[in-house]
Amino acid sequence: QQPVQSPQAVILREGEDAVINCSSSKALYSVHWYRQKHGEAPVFLMILLKGGEQKGHEKISASFNEKKQQSSLYLTASQLSYSGTYFCGLRDDKIIFGKGTRLHILP
Amino acid sequence: DAGVIQSPRHEVTEMGQEVTLRCKPISGHNSLFWYRQTMMRGLELLIYFNNNVPIDDSGMPEDRFSAKMPNASFSTLKIQPSEPRDSAVYFCASSTRQGGNEAFFGQGTRLTVV
Repeated sequence: QQPVQSPQAVILREGEDAVINCSSSKALYSVHWYRQKHGEAPVFLMILLKGGEQKGHEKISASFNEKKQQSSLYLTASQLSYSGTYFCGLRDDKIIFGKGTRLHILP
Repeated sequence: DAGVIQSPRHEVTEMGQEVTLRCKPISGHNSLFWYRQTMMRGLELLIYFNNNVPIDDSGMPEDRFSAKMPNASFSTLKIQPSEPRDSAVYFCASSTRQGGNEAFFGQGTRLTVV
């Protein structure tokens, strides 16, 4: 079952923060986050496995709620290089991706 | 390792023709996924294999689509006959089977059916 991502698109100015949400109707083994630049393949950002987990570095981080049904990606003090489409992927055995969140960073 | 290798990178074909997309996964990865990406539908999972065996092909849109993985280092996705609505970017990705490991994507094949 496809995860639901929100918002569909975000426009920010450089230095602003963004939050991208991903939710599922059932608890899952893990959540993956990927970023895709225009014309390129998706690139892995991070995986969260445990309920209540938070990980990442200071500028890009993510959380996984206790019930393992919702994850959020946090982009802090955004840079131009953060532009792209962000996908969450829910994995049991296969990986099912949400429809993506398009992020545009303006100088 | 060179990563996941897909060929061709671009394919333009006429409606009704057969199209074969190819993928070489990362050595040692035992899961392989085929995705189709369009603006409307995003990244759709078409089929995935574990240890060369097709596990779930419920995403394959029609009988015109077929996929094979004859060995651990090669997979094909075939469309016969092709239609204009098949135009999309097709990605192959590979992973170890454990859920804690990420998928690595190939550069994709941009298919245009005219």
